[in-house]
Amino acid sequence: DTEVTQTPKHLVMGMTNKKSLKCEQHMGHRAMYWYKQKAKKPPELMFVYSYEKLSINESVPSRFSPECPNSSLLNLHLHALQPEDSALYLCASSPTGTYGDEQYFGPGTRLTVT
Amino acid sequence: KNQVEQSPQSLIILEGKNCTLQCNYTVSPFSNLRWYKQDTGRGPVSLTIMTFSENTKSNGRYTATLDADTKQSSLHITASQLSDSASYICVVSARTGNQFYFGTGTSLTVIP
Repeated sequence: DTEVTQTPKHLVMGMTNKKSLKCEQHMGHRAMYWYKQKAKKPPELMFVYSYEKLSINESVPSRFSPECPNSSLLNLHLHALQPEDSALYLCASSPTGTYGDEQYFGPGTRLTVT
Repeated sequence: KNQVEQSPQSLIILEGKNCTLQCNYTVSPFSNLRWYKQDTGRGPVSLTIMTFSENTKSNGRYTATLDADTKQSSLHITASQLSDSASYICVVSARTGNQFYFGTGTSLTVIP
């Protein structure tokens, strides 16, 4: 199984809502990533988990809260988002999180904040 | 500063024609370079990976080249198909910092 799955595919939420994005992989990868992608722009790294520990936080606002319950799962908890947070949120995984890795991307969650 | 730039920003070609996309990078120390294809609203999918010692690598109708001296890579698409319409992203890894540097992407549209 070489697939990264993300749920939900689409999410519409108000600025006062709390929601979560979920990402799952069963390739035995030990690094997982969250990216934010605006239209016609490349993905921007948000967080990296390596061996279930947060290793990189790219100065992301606290209204985004990542969680890695185990090596196969990655969540992104959302609270009090702004309309400018509307974007495609991509999850990726890689074997070890080192520079030689290939990243495998999920299909993304299209988030709209109203 | 580690950067990856791609050109052209967008490209429209007729079905069946060939095209070449460019990627220039300043990432150092260089580890590898990947080309990804991203369909609209989907996650990127890896096409090729090039390491320092590799000059050319093919994957079907896709051929990537790498010139590590000039820090340039190209992706050549042969006999384009409508399904090739997508964004093509160049991603360069450094041997330190465990970082992946994304290019700005080229949006390719293939028309009948």
